[in-house]
Amino acid sequence: DIQMTQSPSTLSASVGDTVTITCRASQSVNSWLAWYQQKPGKAPNVLIHRASNLKSGVPSRFSGSGSGTEFTLTISGLQPEDFAIYYCKQYESSPLTFGGGTRVEIK
Amino acid sequence: QVLLQESGPGLVKPSGTLSLTCAVLDDYISTSDWWTWVRQSPEKGLEWIGEIHHGGRANYNPSLKSRVTMSINKSRNEFSLTLYSLNVADTAMYYCARAVVDGVWSWFHPWGQGILVTVSS
Repeated sequence: DIQMTQSPSTLSASVGDTVTITCRASQSVNSWLAWYQQKPGKAPNVLIHRASNLKSGVPSRFSGSGSGTEFTLTISGLQPEDFAIYYCKQYESSPLTFGGGTRVEIK
Repeated sequence: QVLLQESGPGLVKPSGTLSLTCAVLDDYISTSDWWTWVRQSPEKGLEWIGEIHHGGRANYNPSLKSRVTMSINKSRNEFSLTLYSLNVADTAMYYCARAVVDGVWSWFHPWGQGILVTVSS
């Protein structure tokens, strides 16, 4: 199985900040990586697929980059509604696997 | 915009069988669609269980393959998950979602609201 490791596990930031979350894969997943946002009591919601493709309707302050084994999710100009948990997921090979999550909290 | 809704028991006994159904609302299960199940627990985080195609072909997470069956009922616009030989480690929130094929595998959108399943005697 491909292991997905996210860092940091928790990130404290203020509204307006730019934050970056890192996701590392134990082997190459090429660009087959998605990012999800999960708010309390809700299901995850996809933000980005294929490493850098923004899902239709997702604000442009979210961006993704990377390929191979290292990926980043950047939120430029954090908004109050962005405080949530973010997960990466590889879909290069079965079983599809998720990272452990990064909680973005209010400083 | 397709909506998904899980249904099933909230409490199941150890060694028992869990059967969950996901209703696909305001849309139909088209011939090209894949549908997936994911579960989430504090201990294991998000875990992909498997996926099923409109035509009935399924792919399962090898860690669960011996205990999982998925099926699809096109006439009722729903798909199902059956998990056998339950233990307390199967306690989790279970989500269904549409699997959007991108390359060989998929990203997931949209998701159902989830159903909490507790395994306890």
